[in-house]
Amino acid sequence: DSGVTQTPKHLITATGQRVTLRCSPRSGDLSVYWYQQSLDQGLQFLIQYYNGEERAKGNILERFSAQQFPDLHSELNLSSLELGDSALYFCASSPRDRVVEQYFGPGTRLTVT
Amino acid sequence: AQKITQTQPGMFVQEKEAVTLDCTYDTSDPSYGLFWYKQPSSGEMIFLIYQGSYDQQNATEGRYSLNFQKARKSANLVISASQLGDSAMYFCAMNTGTASKLTFGTGTRLQVTL
Repeated sequence: DSGVTQTPKHLITATGQRVTLRCSPRSGDLSVYWYQQSLDQGLQFLIQYYNGEERAKGNILERFSAQQFPDLHSELNLSSLELGDSALYFCASSPRDRVVEQYFGPGTRLTVT
Repeated sequence: AQKITQTQPGMFVQEKEAVTLDCTYDTSDPSYGLFWYKQPSSGEMIFLIYQGSYDQQNATEGRYSLNFQKARKSANLVISASQLGDSAMYFCAMNTGTASKLTFGTGTRLQVTL
């Protein structure tokens, strides 16, 4: 158990819908990262927050947005969902902005039908 | 931009034997970190080992060691005394400079046999 929690574990929804994925980092970790793992794109970095502020952005679609709250938990919002958004979404956390390890949560498996 | 290449889509190893999973990387940044993660069939990503570009010695963590060859830009993972529970996908990843985001390779599926 990495100490990073993600909810829900599984999510099935229809095209066009909007969903919110939630992540709680390890106790004391200030940085949160979101990654997407899909069959065709592999594991890709989406976005990073550090102590409530956006720190880095990867190949995140405009339909996707994220935020980190004062209690350091983070939410990833996916809207106007398409079939291709079906993937495993991971949250990871680390103590600081530049670190030697990132601890991953168990992931949320999103299926868009 | 950085890139990670894992050329072995699948590997087989017998229980109790050692196995090497290959990883090469490409970056122009002199400061970088190299990571290996294990992903069992259950899906979670488990951090195994880290090597910094300025580290003089190869990293080791229990049965895992990282064979870091800077001139060749390779960061191979060596698993000693393989166990059935080592069967999983293994991902090599890196970050560079002041950025913490990880860039992953395509992974190697390891199957440990009796």
